[in-house]
Amino acid sequence: GAVVSQHPSWVICKSGTSVKIECRSLDFQATTMFWYRQFPKQSLMLMATSNEGSKATYEQGVEKDKFLINHASLTLSTLTVTSAHPEDSSFYICSARRASGSGNEQFFGPGTRLTVL
Amino acid sequence: TQLLEQSPQFLSIQEGENLTVYCNSSSVFSSLQWYRQEPGEGPVLLVTVVTGGEVKKLKRLTFQFGDARKDSSLHITAAQPGDTGLYLCAGVHTNAGKSTFGDGTTLTVKP
Repeated sequence: GAVVSQHPSWVICKSGTSVKIECRSLDFQATTMFWYRQFPKQSLMLMATSNEGSKATYEQGVEKDKFLINHASLTLSTLTVTSAHPEDSSFYICSARRASGSGNEQFFGPGTRLTVL
Repeated sequence: TQLLEQSPQFLSIQEGENLTVYCNSSSVFSSLQWYRQEPGEGPVLLVTVVTGGEVKKLKRLTFQFGDARKDSSLHITAAQPGDTGLYLCAGVHTNAGKSTFGDGTTLTVKP
């Protein structure tokens, strides 16, 4: 159990276009989903916390109008990178926290490699 | 900002050697997780520790949570090349629910 999928696994787009990344918890309900960005050989940088049915909470320095997050259901959250630029190229990873259970573990998706040309 | 200091940042050892990775903080955590991540993939949960002083074993990996729930360690016995990867600790703050991640330890085990 506790499988999280992410789609697409990689995407290449032109500068100025928008890209949507989906994060799904496949076999559990997630009260909270998180979106991270990761640079090579570095740790995870939290971008925002997404709660089902409410607005996402963004970390300091993350533009909410550029990184649109929608948590439509207990199993799906989406991140849309609007008007993407080359500096947005990165590895984006989502995670989901189970609605039940102890320990507050996060289960991660496989990540999405975004390359903006 | 509540920090979680992880050390060492890089570790390169020979197959068969033992190693320990540390995560330290001045904050108390309600729980702490250890993850392992391979290049191009998402982190995979290895273990969650919740109780102060708790020790958990996963084959050759031993995880310990400090008595005060502010620090944790990961010990690997007889490391193998398959243990190579980025190891991340993540502490969940009491009442906040958000996790703080350490900077990661990149482990390379040479055959």
